[in-house]
Amino acid sequence: DAGITQSPRHKVTETGTPVTLRCHQTENHRYMYWYRQDPGHGLRLIHYSYGVKDTDKGEVSDGYSVSRSKTEDFLLTLESATSSQTSVYFCAMGREFLSGEAFFGQGTRLTVV
Amino acid sequence: DAKTTQPNSMESNEEEPVHLPCNHSTISGTDYIHWYRQLPSQGPEYVIHGLTSNVNNRMASLAIAEDRKSSTLILHRATLRDAAVYYCILRGGGADGLTFGKGTHLIIQP
Repeated sequence: DAGITQSPRHKVTETGTPVTLRCHQTENHRYMYWYRQDPGHGLRLIHYSYGVKDTDKGEVSDGYSVSRSKTEDFLLTLESATSSQTSVYFCAMGREFLSGEAFFGQGTRLTVV
Repeated sequence: DAKTTQPNSMESNEEEPVHLPCNHSTISGTDYIHWYRQLPSQGPEYVIHGLTSNVNNRMASLAIAEDRKSSTLILHRATLRDAAVYYCILRGGGADGLTFGKGTHLIIQP
């Protein structure tokens, strides 16, 4: 295993409620990423982190926030879940994406009803 | 990141070699070529990457054209487990992750 886990793996929540997804790594990698994957859109970057407390927005960041208070944990929060945020969410980590390998988690399937 | 073009789908037979093409005519001199694949219901998985020279690892080979405007991922002997979506991605630096396109859906026939 690549040392990256996501929790929960499945979640159903109601519109308007806050939701937090957790990504935990044991490899001490500097970079961490949150993607979402939807039919017809492929994988799209939501937010990424290049160190503790260092985060930035990706392509589809509206409605999402992230936090990284420790190297090993990268949290994704949906501040007020909407049905359009129903998706599969993937977390990834890497030492350096320019020339290195990225490792992805198994995904979290989130359904907003 | 520069754009890549891949066929939507390809079909091959089990135990035969598979050549997955990728065009990247706007590649810059510092862009690395990465390949990932995604098996059904799983997260993407790294396959191989290279800059200028051909590369081999236990999973596949990467053949890069001399002008670097195209590359080919080679699976030497396909198995049913290789059925997946294969993504060709250019990576030019910075911390902002990998940009995934639609990829090639590889179908392996027994």
